[in-house]
Amino acid sequence: ETGVTQTPRHLVMGMTNKKSLKCEQHLGHNAMYWYKQSAKKPLELMFVYNFKEQTENNSVPSRFSPECPNSSHLFLHLHTLQPEDSALYLCASSSHDGTGAYEQYFGPGTRLTVT
Amino acid sequence: QKEVEQNSGPLSVPEGAIASLNCTYSDRGSQSFFWYRQYSGKSPELIMFIYSNGDKEDGRFTAQLNKASQYVSLLIRDSQPSDSATYLCAVTYTGGFKTIFGAGTRLFVKA
Repeated sequence: ETGVTQTPRHLVMGMTNKKSLKCEQHLGHNAMYWYKQSAKKPLELMFVYNFKEQTENNSVPSRFSPECPNSSHLFLHLHTLQPEDSALYLCASSSHDGTGAYEQYFGPGTRLTVT
Repeated sequence: QKEVEQNSGPLSVPEGAIASLNCTYSDRGSQSFFWYRQYSGKSPELIMFIYSNGDKEDGRFTAQLNKASQYVSLLIRDSQPSDSATYLCAVTYTGGFKTIFGAGTRLFVKA
């Protein structure tokens, strides 16, 4: 595997379900990101992890719960979602050297539909 | 509130022409600037990044940065129908992890 991978690619879930999105990066980066992309809206940053430590939580509802067990893996745990949470969820990774983040590389995304 | 502004388009250019995409940003503390291309239903793909004032060329693409005017642009020479996509401008800030994305400009290259 190369680059950034995400599973599943598509997910349909009911509002009472619990599911998890998985992301893995094979680029040796130390920072990982979750973004939400809804139709006709800019990319919304949700969470950032640097060396497994969460550095940004962009006022995301608690029904989204991130987990970063190491600098190569990132999860997004989902529970009791709402239909408006239906979107493309993108994972990205980058290097960060303390002065700033470098270019981010994105995974293919998970298309989530909440019914 | 840090902001990145782009004209949503669509910008329509004939095949072989130069496409010019523009982006302005609000915070003078901005450090790094990126252009991503996103095809419909796909994830963003990095095209170019630029850190210093001036021009940076890579093949048919040229990124231009003017920090005094808080302006970054992307020129695509010899535009091809395969360049038809949404182009996202992104900005990161000194020491930060947060990257702010613009809403994107839709480019349509007519064959």
